[in-house]
Amino acid sequence: QKEVEQNSGPLSVPEGAIASLNCTYSDRGSQSFFWYRQYSGKSPELIMFIYSNGDKEDGRFTAQLNKASQYVSLLIRDSQPSDSATYLCASRDNYGQNFVFGPGTRLSVLP
Amino acid sequence: ETGVTQSPTHLIKTRGQQVTLRCSSQSGHNTVSWYQQALGQGPQFIFQYYREEENGRGNFPPRFSGLQFPNYSSELNVNALELDDSALYLCASSSERSGGGGSYEQYFGPGTRLTVT
Repeated sequence: QKEVEQNSGPLSVPEGAIASLNCTYSDRGSQSFFWYRQYSGKSPELIMFIYSNGDKEDGRFTAQLNKASQYVSLLIRDSQPSDSATYLCASRDNYGQNFVFGPGTRLSVLP
Repeated sequence: ETGVTQSPTHLIKTRGQQVTLRCSSQSGHNTVSWYQQALGQGPQFIFQYYREEENGRGNFPPRFSGLQFPNYSSELNVNALELDDSALYLCASSSERSGGGGSYEQYFGPGTRLTVT
């Protein structure tokens, strides 16, 4: 059973702080990893994806991937109350058929 | 806005009935994947359609079926509805290549909220 695990939270951080969201995956065949943000009652919105070991930065967001440890993380710098949402981590293999989501981590940014 | 549309937005059905949900993919995308998201959980993969063929399936019974049309739009059909089928149904479009190695990113539509009573 291919699984993606996340701490369900809630993770609470003060406004302006760095929020760190973590994710582990079980399938070593997973090739690429995605972070989605989902506001309550809405559909998931793609934030960024990563498929090479190391860091990938996009604005206030940095994704980190360590395939040896089967670990993915998302850092949100200068967190804003509008970042309060559930963050979903997902993995997929190179053939695109196995797209596995974690349960999501609920982030709350306190003003 | 992702350019992926779904209809209807909300639907209420009775146990045992059948339902059809529709999805139009983003322009330039040839692949549609369907997901079921129960409250408080991550999306669960139902199946994927690539160039009108089913291209992978999750752990869902055969009463969940689908179609993809030449314009890459798609339908999800669920027969013999059960109470546990109540969920948000999401479709996601992407651009894939035969043999893998496509653009990888999937973009979600707004979803259809199905309630089975």
